[in-house]
Amino acid sequence: EAGVAQSPRYKIIEKRQSVAFWCNPISGHATLYWYQQILGQGPKLLIQFQNNGVVDDSQLPKDRFSAERLKGVDSTLKIQPAKLEDSAVYLCASSPGHKQPQHFGDGTRLSIL
Amino acid sequence: DAKTTQPNSMESNEEEPVHLPCNHSTISGTDYIHWYRQLPSQGPEYVIHGLTSNVNNRMASLAIAEDRKSSTLILHRATLRDAAVYYCILRFWGSQGNLIFGKGTKLSVKP
Repeated sequence: EAGVAQSPRYKIIEKRQSVAFWCNPISGHATLYWYQQILGQGPKLLIQFQNNGVVDDSQLPKDRFSAERLKGVDSTLKIQPAKLEDSAVYLCASSPGHKQPQHFGDGTRLSIL
Repeated sequence: DAKTTQPNSMESNEEEPVHLPCNHSTISGTDYIHWYRQLPSQGPEYVIHGLTSNVNNRMASLAIAEDRKSSTLILHRATLRDAAVYYCILRFWGSQGNLIFGKGTKLSVKP
């Protein structure tokens, strides 16, 4: 089966610019997650979707981050405006349901200048 | 969520078994023990999980102490491809699915 696809693989922007990441989960997976991984740390959940509804966005900085999952399939994560502290790898994961193991994409590495 | 404690790093020789320890003294009866690993420049990868009994799969074995306050991930024959950061995570059975990652154990494998 095809894995979780993410794009772009790398992105470099200047602070205060906006950026968007795209995720295509494994076909049929109802649960989708976005994680942020800062260098040297483990991933931290930003937002979780069940189909196209938000289950948990308690750690999403909503003043600058937004995410959507249209039609319960693909998802986009946006940052506007970006800050230096947003430099990280953004990982998307999916699972058939919230109790099953998660499958991760290889992430988008974001660098803020 | 209950916390886990893992060594920061470990070294192993290729083709030898590796035992990766994890302490979780505050584990509750409904916490599952999950292991994920992250190879360089890749996203995390599910390895194995268990509740009380030891578990085996094609990737590894999970040995859980009788009191459940610790567990050990066993790689039976380490290969260079097993060099990664290994994360031990407790996941409450009734949770929405969120994985809370610590810093994990960085495993180096020497040829």
